[in-house]
Amino acid sequence: QVQLQESGPGLVKPSETLSLTCTVSGDSISSYYWSWSRQPAGKGLEWIGRIYTSGSTNYNPSLKSRVTMSVDTSKNQFSLKLRSVTAADTAVYYCARGHEYSGSHYYYYMDVWGKGTTVTVSS
Amino acid sequence: SYELTQPPSVSVSPGQTASITCSGDKLGDKYACWYQQRPGQSPVLVIYQDSKRPSGIPERFSGSNSGNTATLTISGTQAMDEADYYCQAWDSSSYLVFGGGTKLTVL
Repeated sequence: QVQLQESGPGLVKPSETLSLTCTVSGDSISSYYWSWSRQPAGKGLEWIGRIYTSGSTNYNPSLKSRVTMSVDTSKNQFSLKLRSVTAADTAVYYCARGHEYSGSHYYYYMDVWGKGTTVTVSS
Repeated sequence: SYELTQPPSVSVSPGQTASITCSGDKLGDKYACWYQQRPGQSPVLVIYQDSKRPSGIPERFSGSNSGNTATLTISGTQAMDEADYYCQAWDSSSYLVFGGGTKLTVL
């Protein structure tokens, strides 16, 4: 079955760029949406954004100015870059596979999630 | 910006029915889904498209959505259902919104 694995530095200095990669195994990355979400310790989930395998993206308006997502279909990977980080960006970061439907109403949900990776922003 | 509101906590006795609500402006005009997150684990999709269950999710999980409120119902609640539950919808401005989460306690 499809599995997702996040990877990247666990510690990032303030004002620097957080970079994470999600590797997809068990299925092709093509023809799906791929999302990033995060969760500060003891708090709720926050959606960061999504990317389609064509490269089309949607970002959370509150983070849009600092976020870039990319996809590498040859490696079955997609990536997140978050610029100018502060302590408020400390969280567990999850990648997930997304499905959409455009019918009477639009929907989007995430059916497979990675285990998450903890990123701490500190000097 | 669009917001989804959930009660911070819900308690239920084993074997009883738990209902967790999610409120948002005209939420019934959107599709809602629900995730279960046990402590230290990743979220798991339990309901999508308001009321559909993914493969492997027990029949005791059901969902509905009308007006301004979506509801996740767990019938015959078991101790293993104790977890945080998050609702989610897609805003017409092209971004995803999570509810704040509800901690379900099975007493």
